[in-house]
Amino acid sequence: SQKIEQNSEALNIQEGKTATLTCNYTNYSPAYLQWYRQDPGRGPVFLLLIRENEKEKRKERLKVTFDTTLKQSLFHITASQPADSATYLCALGGYGGSQGNLIFGKGTKLSVKP
Amino acid sequence: NAGVTQTPKFRVLKTGQSMTLLCAQDMNHEYMYWYRQDPGMGLRLIHYSVGEGTTAKGEVPDGYNVSRLKKQNFLLGLESAAPSQTSVYFCASNYGNRGSYNSPLHFGNGTRLTVT
Repeated sequence: SQKIEQNSEALNIQEGKTATLTCNYTNYSPAYLQWYRQDPGRGPVFLLLIRENEKEKRKERLKVTFDTTLKQSLFHITASQPADSATYLCALGGYGGSQGNLIFGKGTKLSVKP
Repeated sequence: NAGVTQTPKFRVLKTGQSMTLLCAQDMNHEYMYWYRQDPGMGLRLIHYSVGEGTTAKGEVPDGYNVSRLKKQNFLLGLESAAPSQTSVYFCASNYGNRGSYNSPLHFGNGTRLTVT
């Protein structure tokens, strides 16, 4: 069955450093991948989308890579700030736009210490 | 714009009781979804709708029913609540298909349901 794993449940880093979160998947060939941020007591908020034919996407301090050979996506936050502390979710989408094919990982809780 | 609004925010039910969770979006989105989020499980799709008057089952549909009578509203019903349905429920919406991928989801802030 399809499986999506985010590298760890929690990641603690120092302010100013680069945070790197990992999303691995098996038994799946996604057409695209999305990253969301979720704060406590709130719904997820969309951050970035990357398609299978794209290697890298950037948005301000955020960067996402997508390696379909390794079956892995990396999500980077450069010059991290305490305000970046949240849970980050990756989600995979399949071919044909089928609404049922968006699969979410369990998330990685990022804590940025001042 | 309010985005996606869910009501109620919190609810406690006794086993066997029924209730309806309400979701409204003001973005004119075609597609709407109901997810549940449990510790250690991630978000799982319960039901979804690709347009007014249509519904479809997701990954975990048992024990739930849905209706989409108006484009802006998506209702999730629990006919006979069970403790296993204790969870946080999120409604989401989007424009649906955009070529080879689905447009990003817009989520509400959830309904925390406890079934005792």
